[in-house]
Amino acid sequence: GAGVSQSPRYKVAKRGQDVALRCDPISGHVSLFWYQQALGQGPEFLTYFQNEAQLDKSGLPSDRFFAERPEGSVSTLKIQRTQQEDSAVYLCASSLGALEADTQYFGPGTRLTVL
Amino acid sequence: AQSVSQHNHHVILSEAASLELGCNYSYGGTVNLFWYVQYPGQHLQLLLKYFSGDPLVKGIKGFEAEFIKSKFSFNLRKPSVQWSDTAEYFCAVNAPSYNTDKLIFGTGTRLQVFP
Repeated sequence: GAGVSQSPRYKVAKRGQDVALRCDPISGHVSLFWYQQALGQGPEFLTYFQNEAQLDKSGLPSDRFFAERPEGSVSTLKIQRTQQEDSAVYLCASSLGALEADTQYFGPGTRLTVL
Repeated sequence: AQSVSQHNHHVILSEAASLELGCNYSYGGTVNLFWYVQYPGQHLQLLLKYFSGDPLVKGIKGFEAEFIKSKFSFNLRKPSVQWSDTAEYFCAVNAPSYNTDKLIFGTGTRLQVFP
């Protein structure tokens, strides 16, 4: 595709529900990143993959957050037992992964609202 | 703690005014520096980046930024803003010496340009 796509664009969940957010990176991009952006804040790093390997998950806020990229392409971010503080925009980005200072290309985000 | 600071949270300018947005970071060692822009209703896009060489970097739409290592700064400038520059601007840093490709973002600066 032309860019990074994410689905759904909007998700409303009741507290305690599990949600799954999908990211389709730019074709051929090796690296894939997840960020969380709270209202009025900059994006905060959650985790990233190089192909199917999860190289850094230091930003995941709790063990309720889980990400996978089993075939090195599409990625899913899963949040179990959602809480109100999980309400945010979840951004996915991808990059070629070949060089330092690779540009990360961002998707439109999924806005999660937990009631 | 590692951080990125954007001191201007909200800037209001008239068209043709000059712009300078501040960005400071607190990493030691080698850094790669980025400015991203988010126009209303759109996703994050790269404006410019610095990773080595000439510390004065030129980006799209007439923007430029200067890396001053001694001041840990990477300020964004534009000599004459347009109404279409109304957007949120994010400074971001990647520190390869920390063995990760993640970006650390500032909290963003909201720019409003009035005709």
